[in-house]
Amino acid sequence: GAVVSQHPSWVICKSGTSVKIECRSLDFQATTMFWYRQFPKQSLMLMATSNEGSKATYEQGVEKDKFLINHASLTLSTLTVTSAHPEDSSFYICSARDRVQVNQPQHFGDGTRLSIL
Amino acid sequence: TQLLEQSPQFLSIQEGENLTVYCNSSSVFSSLQWYRQEPGEGPVLLVTVVTGGEVKKLKRLTFQFGDARKDSSLHITAAQPGDTGLYLCAGDRNQGGKLIFGQGTELSVKP
Repeated sequence: GAVVSQHPSWVICKSGTSVKIECRSLDFQATTMFWYRQFPKQSLMLMATSNEGSKATYEQGVEKDKFLINHASLTLSTLTVTSAHPEDSSFYICSARDRVQVNQPQHFGDGTRLSIL
Repeated sequence: TQLLEQSPQFLSIQEGENLTVYCNSSSVFSSLQWYRQEPGEGPVLLVTVVTGGEVKKLKRLTFQFGDARKDSSLHITAAQPGDTGLYLCAGDRNQGGKLIFGQGTELSVKP
C-alpha cells in the first residue's frame, strides 16, 4: 500500500535552533501534502497545505515565517520550524494526496515528535 | 467554531461493553473518514463513508454516515483492551483534499 515516510521521527534540540522535518511519498506522487500539529490527547490541527511548485497555503493563525514549507518535488515536502522555542514542542504529522488517485484517502506519515529544550 | 463536533472526548469502559462515538456537523461532507491513532504514531484509516445512509462494518466496528451526510457514528461491540486508542473522524468538503478533523475520542478499555 501507499506509504508516507516522515523523518526524523524524534528530535530534541536547544531553543533557537531551526529544525527541518521531511515528508516523502514513497510509491506515489503527491502534488498536495498537508502538515498538521497535534498536542497530547488532542486532535490534529491543520497548519498548512503544501503545493508542489508553488507557495504553501497556511491556515489562519499559523505564522508562515515561523513554519517554512517547501515542496520542490512530487515526492517531498519539508517543514522547517525556524528559531524553535519550547512552545513549538509538539507532534507534527504530514499527509499526502496521490496526484493520480485523487479520490482516495490521504496517506499519513508516522509523525515527528519535536522537543525544544 | 468547531466544524465537526466529536463526542465524547474521553471514554473509559470495561472490556465487553459497547460504545458509540458521534461526529456531527451543520456542513455537508462529500465523504467522512474514521481513523485510529496510537501514541507516537500517525493516524491509521479505518473506513471511508461516502453515501448518505451508508453503513459499513469492520469486525466489531460499525460505521454509519447520516442520510444528509452531515454526521456519522462509530459503534464498537464488545470492546477489548486492544481497542484502546484515539479515534478521529475527519470530513472532506471538496476543498482540495483538505480534511476537517473532529476533536477526537480517547478510548480506554480496561480488562
